[in-house]
Amino acid sequence: DNVMIQTPLSSPVTLGQSASISCRSSQSPVHSDGNTYLSWLHQRPGQPPRLLIYKVSNRFSGVPDRFSGSGAGTEFTLKISRVEAEDVGIYYCMQAAQLPHTFGQGTKLEIK
Amino acid sequence: QLVESGGGVVQPGRSLRLSCAASDSSFSSYAMFWLRQAPGKGLQWVAVISYHGTNKYYADSVKGRFTISRDNSENTVYLQMDSLRVEDTAVYYCARRNNGSPDYWGQGTLVTVSS
Repeated sequence: DNVMIQTPLSSPVTLGQSASISCRSSQSPVHSDGNTYLSWLHQRPGQPPRLLIYKVSNRFSGVPDRFSGSGAGTEFTLKISRVEAEDVGIYYCMQAAQLPHTFGQGTKLEIK
Repeated sequence: QLVESGGGVVQPGRSLRLSCAASDSSFSSYAMFWLRQAPGKGLQWVAVISYHGTNKYYADSVKGRFTISRDNSENTVYLQMDSLRVEDTAVYYCARRNNGSPDYWGQGTLVTVSS
């Protein structure tokens, strides 16, 4: 399986500051079709997850440009600029290039 | 919009069928996921079905016990869960697969396996 490791597991951030979450995969999430199927999702308490970023760096519809994804190979990063109160929750990376699809353990973003 | 149903409390070894109804007629153009989240835990991919229903893949933990299917005339995807185990207890979500990602999610349905 393609194991996804996120760091940190917890990230206290001051409102208005930036936060960065890393995701390392044990295998490159490049599909045979040439696409890198690495996504980032956000889950607030009691809510289903919602997609933020697909294919490493593409923002999903309606996602603020404060969110950006980057990376290549086996190292990927989600950056949140100017953190707002609504950004709290758990962030997950996910790869869908290989079966089984796998998620990182989740990173909890909280406000200091 | 995706709406799951069919969750509930069931004894170990019994069966349950989950449904996920889509409101959009474009449903038949997309592959669909089932994913789950055990209480207080992270996300786990369960299964995926191609847009035409021919190709189906499962997590090892459910292979041979769960069956994913779809009825494009009804805009619905199903998850038949047999031989349920205590460790299958989770909120089950369906999600549309687009660009390799689960882009739209349902609200989830809780499955509790307990004696």
